[in-house]
Amino acid sequence: GQNIDQPTEMTATEGAIVQINCTYQTSGFNGLFWYQQHAGEAPTFLSYNVLDGLEEKGRFSSFLSRSKGYSYLLLKELQMKDSASYLCAVFTGSYQLTFGKGTKLSVIP
Amino acid sequence: SAVISQKPSRDICQRGTSLTIQCQVDSQVTMMFWYRQQPGQSLTLIATANQGSEATYESGFVIDKFPISRPNLTFSTLTVSNMSPEDSSIYLCSVEGSGQEKLFFGSGTQLSVL
Repeated sequence: GQNIDQPTEMTATEGAIVQINCTYQTSGFNGLFWYQQHAGEAPTFLSYNVLDGLEEKGRFSSFLSRSKGYSYLLLKELQMKDSASYLCAVFTGSYQLTFGKGTKLSVIP
Repeated sequence: SAVISQKPSRDICQRGTSLTIQCQVDSQVTMMFWYRQQPGQSLTLIATANQGSEATYESGFVIDKFPISRPNLTFSTLTVSNMSPEDSSIYLCSVEGSGQEKLFFGSGTQLSVL
């Protein structure tokens, strides 16, 4: 079976750093995605990790440890517009993406 | 990147009726996907729609409930049949991407069934 766990909700202060964790147990693994989804909108691509390590892209970084079945998304210099749900998804092959339930991040002044 | 137009963006429907959701892509794509996102739940793949063949449904989803059409390489429809309140959800069309971005998503259809 497929199981992807991430916290349901998080709150952080504007200008701070927040780390959203994701653990997974899946029957296949061809990479891990993070998506951002604002309320009432479609998910938008943030990052893709297929090798262990840290991928940095501006204010957002994503880390993967395949041996531990673990990833995190790091958001720096938080802005109010970063308030959204963040979805962890495992690519199990042939365009099959298995999603976690998402972490709703609230950024407060 | 692909531009995906999905409509309607939202609808409120009566129990027992059916709703057809349309998905139009600005380029030809081989594979199109339909996802459901129930309140507080993860995105779940309903089916994969390939042009010229029957859609492939995931476990728990059947063609009688969610018939899909794929008449050409830029268009697909998903029908939610004989709706009940449990079908209230966001329905998302997505298409294959290239490179790292494996999927592009449409803007979604917010469906409420009374």
